[in-house]
Amino acid sequence: NAGVTQTPKFQVLKTGQSMTLQCAQDMNHEYMSWYRQDPGMGLRLIHYSVGAGITDQGEVPNGYNVSRSTTEDFPLRLLSAAPSQTSVYFCASSYASGTYQETQYFGPGTRLLVL
Amino acid sequence: LAKTTQPISMDSYEGQEVNITCSHNNIATNDYITWYQQFPSQGPRFIIQGYKTKVTNEVASLFIPADRKSSTLSLPRVSLSDTAVYYCLVGYSNYQLIWGAGTKLIIKP
Repeated sequence: NAGVTQTPKFQVLKTGQSMTLQCAQDMNHEYMSWYRQDPGMGLRLIHYSVGAGITDQGEVPNGYNVSRSTTEDFPLRLLSAAPSQTSVYFCASSYASGTYQETQYFGPGTRLLVL
Repeated sequence: LAKTTQPISMDSYEGQEVNITCSHNNIATNDYITWYQQFPSQGPRFIIQGYKTKVTNEVASLFIPADRKSSTLSLPRVSLSDTAVYYCLVGYSNYQLIWGAGTKLIIKP
């Protein structure tokens, strides 16, 4: 049971480049989400999904796209990287109980530097 | 508008009990309170969760008064390894989570 895995661990991009951050979980969790964490700051929700084929925006969705074709995978795409997107990105997953999330399990994070 | 507020930082000493309080307005009956711990360069890790009164596990206790507008995370006999950022969050219906900004706890020898 690997839990939540994220790749890559670290990435450097130039302004305007695009890339996809990968996230996978093997716990059959319905709910998955992406957060960004800027240095010394808290977590901000980017996008989330309550099941395969269902995604929605969080607090800071601009510049990011997501899709959820399977229960296990929830990739985050940066369309045209900007220096303001330099951050650490965390993926999380949880069971859903009715319309409530249960305990979230976080991945190890991807550190992104945009030059 | 739901908001979760906690102190920015706290200091304590090894062997002491540490209490971190979080305030959360606009909380309904089925909404729950959770605390996470985060070390540098790692993702947050679940500590404890509760709805009301008192919950205790092997690492912490969570005290929630009757009005549920605040909660207190209690860490007994802290050690240097408890130095971390602690996040309070409230889970609302419609899958919403409102995170606090985090409390940086520094434990001194």
